[in-house]
This record gives sequence, structure tokens and C-alpha cells, in this order.
Amino acid sequence: DAGITQSPRHKVTETGTPVTLRCHQTENHRYMYWYRQDPGHGLRLIHYSYGVKDTDKGEVSDGYSVSRSKTEDFLLTLESATSSQTSVYFCAISESLALTDTQYFGPGTRLTVL
Amino acid sequence: RKEVEQDPGPFNVPEGATVAFNCTYSNSASQSFFWYRQDCRKEPKLLMSVYSSGNEDGRFTAQLNRASQYISLLIRDSKLSDSATYLCVAPDRGSTLGRLYFGRGTQLTVWP
Repeated sequence: DAGITQSPRHKVTETGTPVTLRCHQTENHRYMYWYRQDPGHGLRLIHYSYGVKDTDKGEVSDGYSVSRSKTEDFLLTLESATSSQTSVYFCAISESLALTDTQYFGPGTRLTVL
Repeated sequence: RKEVEQDPGPFNVPEGATVAFNCTYSNSASQSFFWYRQDCRKEPKLLMSVYSSGNEDGRFTAQLNRASQYISLLIRDSKLSDSATYLCVAPDRGSTLGRLYFGRGTQLTVWP
């Protein structure tokens, strides 16, 4: 299995509070991604990173920000959590963009916003 | 129209059965595809890659039909442990940053 960890694994928070999720990899892969997974929607891309300090928005980026100060860490921040952000969040990594390469996922973080 | 469409199922089959899932994609320029498996409350894990007409790995066969823009996954001799959700994945060929489009998944339950 790819060396990807996510923390925390579970979190319950209240509406309006800031939340930061961490993704840590030991594979030295260049590309990192944050997804959320909700019933009826599948996996949706929030933000991605193509290098240290290089990030960009995905399809559902509103209300989220990211930072990547080191190759191994990719942080996802909910500036002011809302109930609609209750979801399972997955981090993924990819070594390259070659056709034969795909993404490998971390174990996920279950976030509940009350 | 979603980039990747899958029949959500559920598919309920007995052990030993053969089951097939189909997935359609909208981007005709896509050249490689993937099937992921996701167990309940777990992360998606890569099951198979499909680059040309097809790929076979033991009981699993993935086929690609470019003319009709669909991918299929065939599971032979189903096991109880095959029970999971299967995700069809297509790369965004318009993206230079490795973006993938995920189908919503097809749920399979294999019963004894």
C-alpha cells in the first residue's frame, strides 16, 4: 500500500469553526489531491497540488483552501465549517501524469459539522 | 452529462456467478481508464487499468470499446470477498494536472 496517512481520521465540529485536515505521504510523489465523497455524488475534486506551493482549484473548491509547504504534506482547511461540508474527505497522490499512472488514496477523514 | 456514468446497481449475485458492469465515458480523447474497488467505509483502491482493448487479471477482465465509448468489468466465479462498490475512472485529457473523473460506483453483493 502507498504510504499515505490522513489526520484526524474522525472529527466532529460545530458550524462556523475552522477545521484543518492533514494528508501526509512518504512516497515523495509530486501530485496530491483532496476529494470529498458524498452519497449520490461520488468522488469530487476539491483542490490539487502539482508541487510545493503550487495548488489549484477543483470542481467543488468554494469554502476550502489548501497549502503545501513540503512535498510530503498537503493541508485542507475549511475556513468556517458548514453542515454542507459534512463528508468523507480523501487525499490522493500520484507520481506522474503518465497514462500508466493513477492515484492512490489515503484512508479518509470522516468530518461531521453540527 | 457526467463525464463517467455507471449503473449504480445494486447487483446481488450468488457465489460462483459471473457478473459484468458497464461504464460509459464522454471524452472520446481518453486513452486510459481504471477500475477501483471501494469497500464499505474504506478508501478506493486500484483494481485494474485499461489502456488498449482490454486487460485480464485472474478472475477479472476489463474491456474497452472506444467506438461506443464504454468500459466493462467482468468478474468470473464471484467470491464473497468481491462484495464492494466498483468505481469506473477516466482521466481528463483536457487537464495537464492528472485530473480523474470518477463514476458514482456500482454496488456488488455476493451471497453464499
